[in-house]
Amino acid sequence: SAVISQKPSRDICQRGTSLTIQCQVDSQVTMMFWYRQQPGQSLTLIATANQGSEATYESGFVIDKFPISRPNLTFSTLTVSNMSPEDSSIYLCSVESREQGGTLSSYEQYFGPGTRLTVT
Amino acid sequence: GESVGLHLPTLSVQEGDNSIINCAYSNSASDYFIWYKQESGKGPQFIIDIRSNMDKRQGQRVTVLLNKTVKHLSLQIAATQPGDSAVYFCAENMDTGRRALTFGSGTRLQVQP
Repeated sequence: SAVISQKPSRDICQRGTSLTIQCQVDSQVTMMFWYRQQPGQSLTLIATANQGSEATYESGFVIDKFPISRPNLTFSTLTVSNMSPEDSSIYLCSVESREQGGTLSSYEQYFGPGTRLTVT
Repeated sequence: GESVGLHLPTLSVQEGDNSIINCAYSNSASDYFIWYKQESGKGPQFIIDIRSNMDKRQGQRVTVLLNKTVKHLSLQIAATQPGDSAVYFCAENMDTGRRALTFGSGTRLQVQP
């Protein structure tokens, strides 16, 4: 399985400011994803980030608000721009680890520890 | 810090009992399913997965059952331990096309000693 780290682990930010979250993986992966988990909620996909192409955003999320970089196969950043209290969430990156062989060809996805953001 | 799963349905079991966590998935075209465990302050941890050409898969103390007819997934945990206390999510995706996961709403498992 892939080992994923995120920085910062948590932050408290003032409204109107921006925060860039970093995601580092210990192996090269093609597909990386950014999710948001609001308090007491499940995970919602923000965007898919593949190296060498523009990120693909889900409905309700736009590049101006959540710009993403994917400069190489082990690293990605998500920026939360012009923050408001409604952006207070846990932000998680995940990667797809493709394993083949045997009777089960799986595309397991592993998650980082998350970045807990509070906007005041 | 704030806990994950404050507003989620809760399953409370006694230590040593078996637990069954259920999930109804949404997309009949989904062909790959994963169960995740999320402890407070941590990211989701992969537990077990299953493909749509199977109806049962077993791991260490865990079994996943898939009923495609009614789009239902369950996670069975044998001899539940206090360390199993967490929020459990099912997730689905399709083998081709969109690779990101769609998550269920989650269930909080509380293990009573």
